[in-house]
Amino acid sequence: SQQGEEDPQALSIQEGENATMNCSYKTSINNLQWYRQNSGRGLVHLILIRSDEREKHSGRLRVTLDTSKKSSSLLITASRAADTASYFCATDAEETSGSRLTFGEGTQLTVNP
Amino acid sequence: GAVVSQHPSWVICKSGTSVKIECRSLDFQATTMFWYRQFPKQSLMLMATSNEGSKATYEQGVEKDKFLINHASLTLSTLTVTSAHPEDSSFYICSALNLAQRSTDTQYFGPGTRLTVL
Repeated sequence: SQQGEEDPQALSIQEGENATMNCSYKTSINNLQWYRQNSGRGLVHLILIRSDEREKHSGRLRVTLDTSKKSSSLLITASRAADTASYFCATDAEETSGSRLTFGEGTQLTVNP
Repeated sequence: GAVVSQHPSWVICKSGTSVKIECRSLDFQATTMFWYRQFPKQSLMLMATSNEGSKATYEQGVEKDKFLINHASLTLSTLTVTSAHPEDSSFYICSALNLAQRSTDTQYFGPGTRLTVL
């Protein structure tokens, strides 16, 4: 079963605005990862945050992790039309072996030019 | 680096036939590969974990006799959908763990294979 839940399911913003997507999960994790998927394509790894980290940055991306609330957020600053895609969080649960990932339901982001 | 390819990128087949999908790590070795299935507008569901030289580990509810996985080398895993039916139509995506980067836990994803069963 899917562990991750994401909100919002869909987000539409104007170019230049910031986009924030949230992810919640149920069990203890080793790490949480964010991926991007353009329509009909494979996944692109964006960022991995370990359970002992609270915040991580990569370019225009900022990810936070709150293990006490079992939640994470992905912030994309100064969005561009090219950021239009589906964004998924995925958790590597502590209880499972072999780096198996459980994906959230995803957020469809539309950035309007 | 860390490129994963899939072949074919799309396939249309008749009901009852078998379809093989290949997943290759092009510039790294992968002892572990994963197979996912994604239905339209849904998330990825892990089907199985493929380990080089050993049997695949299937997730609950995934029929191992229907979805045959072979991981015969450090760069190739194959998924064969046997006796395919229209409900097997989906987007199949593989990913691979870089043997040389196990500490990073990063999976590298292939571009996916669109299977349509008529």
